[in-house]
Amino acid sequence: DTGVSQNPRHKITKRGQNVTFRCDPISEHNRLYWYRQTLGQGPEFLTYFQNEAQLEKSRLLSDRFSAERPKGSFSTLEIQRTEQGDSAMYLCASSSSGTRDNEQFFGPGTRLTVL
Amino acid sequence: AQTVTQSQPEMSVQEAETVTLSCTYDTSENNYYLFWYKQPPSRQMILVIRQEAYKQQNATENRFSVNFQKAAKSFSLKISDSQLGDTAMYFCAFMKPSRGGSNYKLTFGKGTLLTVNP
Repeated sequence: DTGVSQNPRHKITKRGQNVTFRCDPISEHNRLYWYRQTLGQGPEFLTYFQNEAQLEKSRLLSDRFSAERPKGSFSTLEIQRTEQGDSAMYLCASSSSGTRDNEQFFGPGTRLTVL
Repeated sequence: AQTVTQSQPEMSVQEAETVTLSCTYDTSENNYYLFWYKQPPSRQMILVIRQEAYKQQNATENRFSVNFQKAAKSFSLKISDSQLGDTAMYFCAFMKPSRGGSNYKLTFGKGTLLTVNP
């Protein structure tokens, strides 16, 4: 399967703990996005990478959140000192700067539950 | 900022019938893209259909078609010959393309849960 993959698929943690999620985009895609989806809502944009550069961050991304994309390949999203309000599905998507560069391909998501 | 509104939280349709999902959006941009994404239960989101705002012709993908009314800022999705596998959450999304390294983020509506009944 050459689609977008995310690990882990599920994460349960206690409030105050740190968590890290990984996203592996489609190999030839240079753009990578993180979105957060809470129950009953559509996904909300968090941050965007073009290659290894993080070009935009939403104000939803508080200072407890950090994302990286070393070498422009996989990406990680870390949440420090988790809060119950961080419970959500975290979605990763990727796209390429080709002819259909506005089509984003989504991964299955990581569902985070903060107890 | 762009907003996307889906006014139908839930809809149902009988198998083989036609259903239309509504979406309206608000933007001051002239060039943009609109999308419908499908999110089946416990499965990942996939693109159903997309429309470039500069194209007057409505997009069509097999049983899926859109009615794009730019002046009214309306973008509805019609599903013909509904199948059980069409049961999913459907999201309408807006993208304002930016050049020069800026981002192509999607702005989503809250979604419409479509159930196809046998």
